[in-house]
Amino acid sequence: DAKTTQPTSMDCAEGRAANLPCNHSTISGNEYVYWYRQIHSQGPQYIIHGLKNNETNEMASLIITEDRKSSTLILPHATLRDTAVYYCIVRATQAGTALIFGKGTTLSVSS
Amino acid sequence: DTAVSQTPKYLVTQMGNDKSIKCEQNLGHDTMYWYKQDSKKFLKIMFSYNNKELIINETVPNRFSPKSPDKAHLNLHINSLELGDSAVYFCASSHNGLNYGYTFGSGTRLTVV
Repeated sequence: DAKTTQPTSMDCAEGRAANLPCNHSTISGNEYVYWYRQIHSQGPQYIIHGLKNNETNEMASLIITEDRKSSTLILPHATLRDTAVYYCIVRATQAGTALIFGKGTTLSVSS
Repeated sequence: DTAVSQTPKYLVTQMGNDKSIKCEQNLGHDTMYWYKQDSKKFLKIMFSYNNKELIINETVPNRFSPKSPDKAHLNLHINSLELGDSAVYFCASSHNGLNYGYTFGSGTRLTVV
């Protein structure tokens, strides 16, 4: 079962920042937080991941709270092409584990 | 060049048939995976191989058999196909360790009629 909780859906206006929240209150100290997205009919796409510190790359920023029980994915200037299902995943550290996908958040970006 | 490629992209077949889906990655990754996405859009891990060794085998019917001839290839063979096997199957690969993301293929849409 997924160890994260995300809103089912969110809307965002094109050009505005999209802030996608994720709760992972049972996260262990050495588990990473990953974000992926799936644009309709395509394979999931890796966005970003982090352990404790905030992270930024060319796609997004990841803000992790100090207690690590929640995080926020920020798309600074959302475009129509960012419309997708966004998955927040906490990955276990045991050998032989894999990414476990939950239901994710459907982000709809409109003009 | 496509990083993780799956063939075929679409597969329509009759119940009871046997079919295979192939996956190849040119990223030099050590681990490969098969995921199944059903009509409700849930993505579920099926199998994982690390350097040709099976390391994850979730509760999947025995009719599904993965095969990894080398670490760049992971094929999925399905015997006696059933209607419930209709889904999109995604292959993925990654380096070992937690500090790496997965790269997914574009999926194989299997329809059993």
